[in-house]
Amino acid sequence: EPEVTQTPSHQVTQMGQEVILRCVPISNHLYFYWYRQILGQKVEFLVSFYNNEISEKSEIFDDQFSVERPDGSNFTLKIRSTKLEDSAMYFCASSPGDRGNTEAFFGQGTRLTVV
Amino acid sequence: RKEVEQDPGPFNVPEGATVAFNCTYSNSASQSFFWYRQDCRKEPKLLMSVYSSGNEDGRFTAQLNRASQYISLLIRDSKLSDSATYLCVVKRSGGGADGLTFGKGTHLIIQP
Repeated sequence: EPEVTQTPSHQVTQMGQEVILRCVPISNHLYFYWYRQILGQKVEFLVSFYNNEISEKSEIFDDQFSVERPDGSNFTLKIRSTKLEDSAMYFCASSPGDRGNTEAFFGQGTRLTVV
Repeated sequence: RKEVEQDPGPFNVPEGATVAFNCTYSNSASQSFFWYRQDCRKEPKLLMSVYSSGNEDGRFTAQLNRASQYISLLIRDSKLSDSATYLCVVKRSGGGADGLTFGKGTHLIIQP
């Protein structure tokens, strides 16, 4: 069964460093997403991406965040200068995107710890 | 007002019992509704979409009341493996661009 894969599963970084979280969405899907979940909190939408550009973004997705699809398979989330409060589980998701078929499939997540 | 509100629980329920969860959402423009399941430290997984007419999938039944902005999930004949956090999720439109808005989840523990 096709699945969304994310690497790494865990990332520890020092405050102020840049991190890149990687995702391989399901191959025939058109929409890609990043979500985050701070420990003990709800899952929060960060950004959606379609046709090589951002479709929607939340207020959390500020200038320190960026997304890119550098090739036909990878979808990355970059955090430019990490803060302690960026520590969270980051989930990538993809969706076929057709009207009536927008089920989002989630990857296993990357646990980011900023120290 | 929170966008999606759920009773956090935990709900402690004996195996074989029926359990019901409720959820309310604040954005009356919401178009799509889902129940996701999340196991501890795992990714959310779609349990079922929720349709206006109500829908059933095996032991699971979902209902939507648009007038009251209320969604429910009923689990019959609960199994130990049903223990998880159940996330009520809404989406503003039927298209792919909008992100999902999650509730904080209701924690369910099925006891043997």
